[in-house]
Amino acid sequence: GENVEQHPSTLSVQEGDSAVIKCTYSDSASNYFPWYKQELGKGPQLIIDIRSNVGEKKDQRIAVTLNKTAKHFSLHITETQPEDSAVYFCAVKEYGNKLVFGAGTILRVKS
Amino acid sequence: DAMVIQNPRYQVTQFGKPVTLSCSQTLNHNVMYWYQQKSSQAPKLLFHYYDKDFNNEADTPDNFQSRRPNTSFCFLDIRSPGLGDAAMYLCATGRDRGSYEQYFGPGTRLTVT
Repeated sequence: GENVEQHPSTLSVQEGDSAVIKCTYSDSASNYFPWYKQELGKGPQLIIDIRSNVGEKKDQRIAVTLNKTAKHFSLHITETQPEDSAVYFCAVKEYGNKLVFGAGTILRVKS
Repeated sequence: DAMVIQNPRYQVTQFGKPVTLSCSQTLNHNVMYWYQQKSSQAPKLLFHYYDKDFNNEADTPDNFQSRRPNTSFCFLDIRSPGLGDAAMYLCATGRDRGSYEQYFGPGTRLTVT
């Protein structure tokens, strides 16, 4: 099955700086890559996703880049704010509609 | 607002005492998923429904069962909870079989005493 690795496990940045989280996957046939934000005590919230036919997608301060050849994709958050502090999960669609999640990154934005 | 609702948000049960968690959705989505998320871990898929078509993950213990009486509701039954079943249980929906996006509810935190 699909194997998803996510790095780093924790990330601390100063407010206003950028944050980058990277995930690698194993199955070259995978074609859907979402990112979820999970705040304490809440369910994961889909924040951005990308399909294999594009290399980059942007939505205001967040962007996702995909390198299919190298089998990795990254989440970029610019101008970080304290409310960006949360756990971020990448995921990869496996067979059917099954998502396989990375282990998560705890992002702390220091003000 | 269209949404995924989970009740209760917090559930305490005793070791071995059956418990049922519920999920409802106003999105009219065809697909419903149940995930287990243990502390500081990623969500892990237990099973899902395409409409009434039930799909169990190979490593989901027999102790976990599910029912989907209609499009809007889905239940997770834990027949004999063990201490290792303490976790956050997340319900998610997807529009249909060909849609990839999944939308999560707030979760139910299960404690087993």
